[in-house]
Amino acid sequence: GAVVSQHPSWVICKSGTSVKIECRSLDFQATTMFWYRQFPKQSLMLMATSNEGSKATYEQGVEKDKFLINHASLTLSTLTVTSAHPEDSSFYICSARDLGLARSYNEQFFGPGTRLTVL
Amino acid sequence: GENVEQHPSTLSVQEGDSAVIKCTYSDSASNYFPWYKQELGKRPQLIIDIRSNVGEKKDQRIAVTLNKTAKHFSLHITETQPEDSAVYFCAASVAAAGNKLTFGGGTRVLVKP
Repeated sequence: GAVVSQHPSWVICKSGTSVKIECRSLDFQATTMFWYRQFPKQSLMLMATSNEGSKATYEQGVEKDKFLINHASLTLSTLTVTSAHPEDSSFYICSARDLGLARSYNEQFFGPGTRLTVL
Repeated sequence: GENVEQHPSTLSVQEGDSAVIKCTYSDSASNYFPWYKQELGKRPQLIIDIRSNVGEKKDQRIAVTLNKTAKHFSLHITETQPEDSAVYFCAASVAAAGNKLTFGGGTRVLVKP
């Protein structure tokens, strides 16, 4: 149980284009999902908290107009990188919490990540 | 906001020896401290976690200790094996802040056979 998937697993795009990444909780409902970015040999940095049915909460320094987050259902959150540039190339990872599991209330289940390369 | 410091950044040990990674956190309201193992290009995998009402937790070769007064927690891996080689991250979260995780900088562990 508590499986999170991401699609696509990797994507290469041209500078200036937009890329959408999907994060799905496969066997549980997730009212909250998180989006992280990880540059090579660095740690995971939280970009935003995605809340089902409401606006996402962005961390300081993350441009909300560049990284559009939509959490339209209890099992799906999307991250759209708009007008991507080479400096946006990174590993994007989502995670979700399963509020139905009291034992693991705090635990976050991570997706496999999406590697974005912007040429 | 929360700040998590992790040391060392790299750790090389001989197979069979123990490995210890230490983290400190800044927000005294933090109440959940997970440890993750991440292999290259893969998702972080939870290996052990501890809550603020517990001082120590053990799972086979892995143990975590928490000192709330000093605001630090440590990961101990005993009888290390080559497959323990990976990057390890500590993290902390505060329930009042929506349980979002703040990660440490990571420790690259190499277990030499």
